[in-house]
Amino acid sequence: LAKTTQPISMDSYEGQEVNITCSHNNIATNDYITWYQQFPSQGPRFIIQGYKTKVTNEVASLFIPADRKSSTLSLPRVSLSDTAVYYCLVGDGGSTLGRLYFGRGTQLTVWP
Amino acid sequence: KAGVTQTPRYLIKTRGQQVTLSCSPISGHRSVSWYQQTPGQGLQFLFEYFSETQRNKGNFPGRFSGRQFSNSRSEMNVSTLELGDSALYLCASSLVGRGANVLTFGAGSRLTVL
Repeated sequence: LAKTTQPISMDSYEGQEVNITCSHNNIATNDYITWYQQFPSQGPRFIIQGYKTKVTNEVASLFIPADRKSSTLSLPRVSLSDTAVYYCLVGDGGSTLGRLYFGRGTQLTVWP
Repeated sequence: KAGVTQTPRYLIKTRGQQVTLSCSPISGHRSVSWYQQTPGQGLQFLFEYFSETQRNKGNFPGRFSGRQFSNSRSEMNVSTLELGDSALYLCASSLVGRGANVLTFGAGSRLTVL
């Protein structure tokens, strides 16, 4: 299973765009890239998932270059409520699903 | 539809006791996985069950065990509790099939061992 590397922490101000990059050099052909958000004392919550190029939903965008060895989660115009830990996961949807490596994630702090 | 339900939400035990945590997955989800989260170690995978069979297991001692019932509900048990077992235990369910799958987490069970 591919492990991921993310920055430990990031700071931003309200209204700014935040980009969190994740490195996954050992990504396999069948692997998808999934990002989760976690608030204190809550379970992680799915944000976005992609396989290649760009994916956008109502809360975020995910940019994946052609070699798929990294990905960037983009949060437009963050607010104080976006302060949370963000996890990047790489894996397929089959029997390895339960062993997805969460790591420590990236603590994003948004300041007023 | 109802989300993933974990019970109890909070519990306090003493060293040497055992504890059982319960997880009810989203209806139709056949995969249930368990995680331990502590400030020092982050989010660590315990085990995963699929159709009543343990399919994957993390690097935890045998004191940690689990099972899954025919209705996909799952329980995990920790015996001979140690202080270091104090943690947030999270359960996640997934609709396993072809292609990508997404984990839906419960709110967790906060265990404190005194």
